Amino acid sequence: GIQVEQSPPDLILQEGANSTLRCNFSDSVNNLQWFHQNPWGQLINLFYIPSGTKQNGRLSATTVATERYSLLYISSSQTTDSGVYFCAVDTNAGGTSYGKLTFGQGTILTVHP
Amino acid sequence: NAGVTQTPKFRVLKTGQSMTLLCAQDMNHEYMYWYRQDPGMGLRLIHYSVGEGTTAKGEVPDGYNVSRLKKQNFLLGLESAAPSQTSVYFCASTGQANTEAFFGQGTRLTVV
Repeated sequence: GIQVEQSPPDLILQEGANSTLRCNFSDSVNNLQWFHQNPWGQLINLFYIPSGTKQNGRLSATTVATERYSLLYISSSQTTDSGVYFCAVDTNAGGTSYGKLTFGQGTILTVHP
Repeated sequence: NAGVTQTPKFRVLKTGQSMTLLCAQDMNHEYMYWYRQDPGMGLRLIHYSVGEGTTAKGEVPDGYNVSRLKKQNFLLGLESAAPSQTSVYFCASTGQANTEAFFGQGTRLTVV
């Protein structure tokens, strides 16, 4: 099956700093999503981005499908950005996938005041 | 707009007991999924459904059964709970296969 690798595994920032999280995947994808899991365990949709670039406030994401990676940018980080960021992909490489997502291991982000 | 709702939010079971987790979505989505999340890991797919009356196995189906009798509901059953099934369970739904998935708030299950 498809492999999804996220880096870095851990990231510690001071409030106001910028950061880039990376997601590499081993095969072509027809769906890629970024999620934020907050300290209460809730999964929050950030971006649905199988290709191209999107921005939402201080967050933006870029997926370069041909090179099999996606980047999540967080600017002017805040303490509320703390949590785990997951990349998840869906691939048709082995036939119809029915929207089944394969998750990376996540990046644990800690933002200090 | 409730989205995806899971019941219950927390549960403690004794080894060998059975239980059913309920997932309900109000978005008229065709596809529904059950995932589990273990400490320090991403989510892994247990079972999924591509429409009312259909179910299929995911990556880690052993020890679980599912049913999709109504389009809006997807049930996950544990017939004989084991400590290895201690986990956080997430339900998700999508309208079509290649569209955005929406997740419930999770169910934290502890088997002692």
